[in-house]
Amino acid sequence: GAVVSQHPSRVICKSGTSVKIECRSLDFQATTMFWYRQFPKQSLMLMATSNEGSKATYEQGVEKDKFLINHASLTLSTLTVTSAHPEDSSFYICSARPSLPGYSYEQYFGPGTRLTVT
Amino acid sequence: QKEVEQNSGPLSVPEGAIASLNCTYSDRGSQSFFWYRQYSGKSPELIMFIYSNGDKEDGRFTAQLNKASQYVSLLIRDSQPSDSATYLCAVNEDSNYQLIWGAGTKLIIKP
Repeated sequence: GAVVSQHPSRVICKSGTSVKIECRSLDFQATTMFWYRQFPKQSLMLMATSNEGSKATYEQGVEKDKFLINHASLTLSTLTVTSAHPEDSSFYICSARPSLPGYSYEQYFGPGTRLTVT
Repeated sequence: QKEVEQNSGPLSVPEGAIASLNCTYSDRGSQSFFWYRQYSGKSPELIMFIYSNGDKEDGRFTAQLNKASQYVSLLIRDSQPSDSATYLCAVNEDSNYQLIWGAGTKLIIKP
């Protein structure tokens, strides 16, 4: 149980274009989903917290107009990287917190999306 | 600023031995504690969580929590080469169900 999928797993795009990444909880509903970014050999960095039906909460230093997050249903959140630049190349990972009795803070992660901007 | 600290390692342990990973946290009010495993190039995977003082065992893994010392650890018995990974400690942040993450300890199990 508690499976999270992420699509695409890898994407290469040209500088200036936009890329959408989907995160789905497959066997549970998730009121809250999270988006992280991880650069090589560095720790996880939380970008934003996404709550179903409301605006995402972005961490300090993360541009909300560049990283658009939509959490339209209890099983789907999307991250759109707009006007991507080479410095946006990174490993983007989503996680979801089950909205079920008995669960508190645990997060289950998707497999990640490796974005390369050329 | 709430913090979670881990020794970055690498921690090198012979195959079959016990690997001991440690984590300290700054917020005395923290209630939920998690250990994640992350293989190189992959996303984190939840392996243990603990809420109460004491030990919690799951197979070869034991999580230990000492709230008075603000210390949580993970023991891996009978270490296998497949246990070689980075282990992330995380603690609850009350705001919006977020977790505060340690930087991770890289564990290497030597055959």
